[in-house]
Amino acid sequence: DQQVKQNSPSLSVQEGRISILNCDYTNSMFDYFLWYKKYPAEGPTFLISISSIKDKNEDGRFTVFLNKSAKHLSLHIVPSQPGDSAVYFCAAIRVSDDKIIFGKGTRLHILP
Amino acid sequence: DTEVTQTPKHLVMGMTNKKSLKCEQHMGHRAMYWYKQKAKKPPELMFVYSYEKLSINESVPSRFSPECPNSSLLNLHLHALQPEDSALYLCASSQDPRGELFFGEGSRLTVL
Repeated sequence: DQQVKQNSPSLSVQEGRISILNCDYTNSMFDYFLWYKKYPAEGPTFLISISSIKDKNEDGRFTVFLNKSAKHLSLHIVPSQPGDSAVYFCAAIRVSDDKIIFGKGTRLHILP
Repeated sequence: DTEVTQTPKHLVMGMTNKKSLKCEQHMGHRAMYWYKQKAKKPPELMFVYSYEKLSINESVPSRFSPECPNSSLLNLHLHALQPEDSALYLCASSQDPRGELFFGEGSRLTVL
């Protein structure tokens, strides 16, 4: 049973436009959510997080939105740049047992 | 078999002990990773093995020694650890360095 789902395996976006990566979860007990970015031949590295008590967190070009009633979060990248081409992982953490659960990832292609 | 199996799930060791964490996958994945996660923090990448060769070492102290005996196994040898090394150690694998990640459930290490 996948508790964290990224239903789009890949996404192509024109350079300069907005990239929106989506993630759904099933467990309402998660305390915070994270996004990771992974380049080829590297491990995923942390990008941005959001606590379950907030609905938005912004860091430069990256904004994460959380809709708790829909159990949905999204990562917005504006404007998209060529270096943003990577695989993006959504993850969720339960503080009570420090368990982290990752989605399967979405590959983002930024087109010139 | 679509699992990454980590053993042991829990480990308590003294600062003079030598122990090992083990990770196993039978999905034919050629990239494997070790992550360290401290409480309430995102996982931090430690090592990446690609095609059984160490490709990334994120400046990890030498008291952590990774080993990849074959394409299905990844070990993390521990020696002379410090109490601050207590954390959850996560193993992950991917088809190749560009593929989606599969994570194990982690080995929770306590150093006394």
